[in-house]
Amino acid sequence: ETGVTQTPRHLVMGMTNKKSLKCEQHLGHNAMYWYKQSAKKPLELMFVYSLEERVENNSVPSRFSPECPNSSHLFLHLHTLQPEDSALYLCASSQALVAGQPQHFGDGTRLSIL
Amino acid sequence: AQSVTQLDSHVSVSEGTPVLLRCNYSSSYSPSLFWYVQHPNKGLQLLLKYTSAATLVKGINGFEAEFKKSETSFHLTKPSAHMSDAAEYFCVVSDPYGTSGSARQLTFGSGTQLTVLP
Repeated sequence: ETGVTQTPRHLVMGMTNKKSLKCEQHLGHNAMYWYKQSAKKPLELMFVYSLEERVENNSVPSRFSPECPNSSHLFLHLHTLQPEDSALYLCASSQALVAGQPQHFGDGTRLSIL
Repeated sequence: AQSVTQLDSHVSVSEGTPVLLRCNYSSSYSPSLFWYVQHPNKGLQLLLKYTSAATLVKGINGFEAEFKKSETSFHLTKPSAHMSDAAEYFCVVSDPYGTSGSARQLTFGSGTQLTVLP
């Protein structure tokens, strides 16, 4: 079983829909992250969780709502998205929220907003 | 504050020739440095990491990188490119002494797209 699993792999939704992205890690890690990867732009850190507590929210619009029910699962709830939100959304985990720890990434969810 | 600059957005090499992907970093203290690779429609995979041990770091798939503090560089090399190496490569820095949450996170370069020609 892969270390970090993201579902769905592809998602097409209208601007008024509500959907959720799911991430699950099987590595026993305590920190989890959401990133946004857009074409021609650097990777953008969106949210950071450590031991199910949100520790960082990098000025992300409220139409993105994260949830971390336990240290193995992370969700990103989406509602009323805009066309510029079309991107690859990557989930990652690390052993702890300590500098110098490498992060392990899932394969992402490719999101397209109609 | 920490930052990382990947000096080339695109690099093309012929199969069997050496690969050099350049990275310069800026950090207040001795940083941790990483190289990640991303193949199409995939997530980022860790190639190697430097965490203040040996300055020459060996990674997976024949890649290695050398930490040069005097030049603030962490270039990625491979002696002989393979077609399967075609991907995007990211240089990443982490400042170990950051006190804010963001300082403990990874700062990503903008990426270098490697093309391998037959």
